[in-house]
Amino acid sequence: QSVLTQPPSVSGAPGQRVTISCTGSSSNIGSGNDVHWYQQLPGAAPKLVIYTNNNRPSGVPDRFSGSKSGTSASLAITGLQAEDEADYYCQSYDSNRNRVFGGGTKLTVL
Amino acid sequence: EVQLVESGGGLFKPGGSLRLSCAASGFSFSSYAINWVRQAPGKGLEWVSSISRISTYIYYADSVKGRFTMSRDNAKNSVYLEVNSLRAEDTAVYYCVRDGSPWAGDSDNWLDPWGQGTLVTVSS
Repeated sequence: QSVLTQPPSVSGAPGQRVTISCTGSSSNIGSGNDVHWYQQLPGAAPKLVIYTNNNRPSGVPDRFSGSKSGTSASLAITGLQAEDEADYYCQSYDSNRNRVFGGGTKLTVL
Repeated sequence: EVQLVESGGGLFKPGGSLRLSCAASGFSFSSYAINWVRQAPGKGLEWVSSISRISTYIYYADSVKGRFTMSRDNAKNSVYLEVNSLRAEDTAVYYCVRDGSPWAGDSDNWLDPWGQGTLVTVSS
C-alpha cells in the first residue's frame, strides 16, 4: 500500500491530453511538501520529468506540466505521443522524514 | 556527465548479507545527499535510505530499519548499502539516486539523476 495514491492506469489517443492524479494526506503533500514526478520507460531507470510541483528539467518537452493543490497533485501531458507510453510515479516527503512514492500509473497511448 | 553506477547485486540466500556500492562521477559528490530506492519485480518504487553530504544524517524506511546500513566515502565518491538478514522480499532492483539540488532541504528535494540499478535476488 503506497503512501500516495495514483490511478493504476490511464490511456489516451495520440494528440490528446491526459492527467494523472496523486493524492496524499496532511502528513505529506498537505504539509506543504513539494511533489515531483518520474517517468519510467519499459526496462529503464526512472527519469525526472517534473520537480517542485510544476518545474520541467532541461530536455523535458513543455507538453509535460504539473500542479499541486491541498493534499493532491497532478501531472498533465498534452499532445500525447507514442513515446510517452510509460509508468509515471509521484513522490513527496512525509512527516517521518521519508521520501514517499505513489504506486505508479501506467500510461497507454492507444 | 553526471553518472551513478551501482554494483554488488546478484543471487543471495535468505539470512545472508550483501553490500551494494554506488560510484559517482561528473559532479561535486560531497555537496549532495544520496539515496537508495528499490523496485521489486513488477512493482512500484520504494525509497529505502538517504545519507546527507557528510553523513551527519542517515534515514531509513521503516520496512528496512535495523537491517540496512547506508554509508558514504567522499574521498572515493562512493556510497554503500549493507543489508543483513536478507529476506525474499528484499528481491528488487536497487537504484542509487542523487538529490536534485545541493541547496534544497530533504522535504523539498527531488531525485535526479538515477543510476541504472543493480538486481538483488534473494532465494534459496
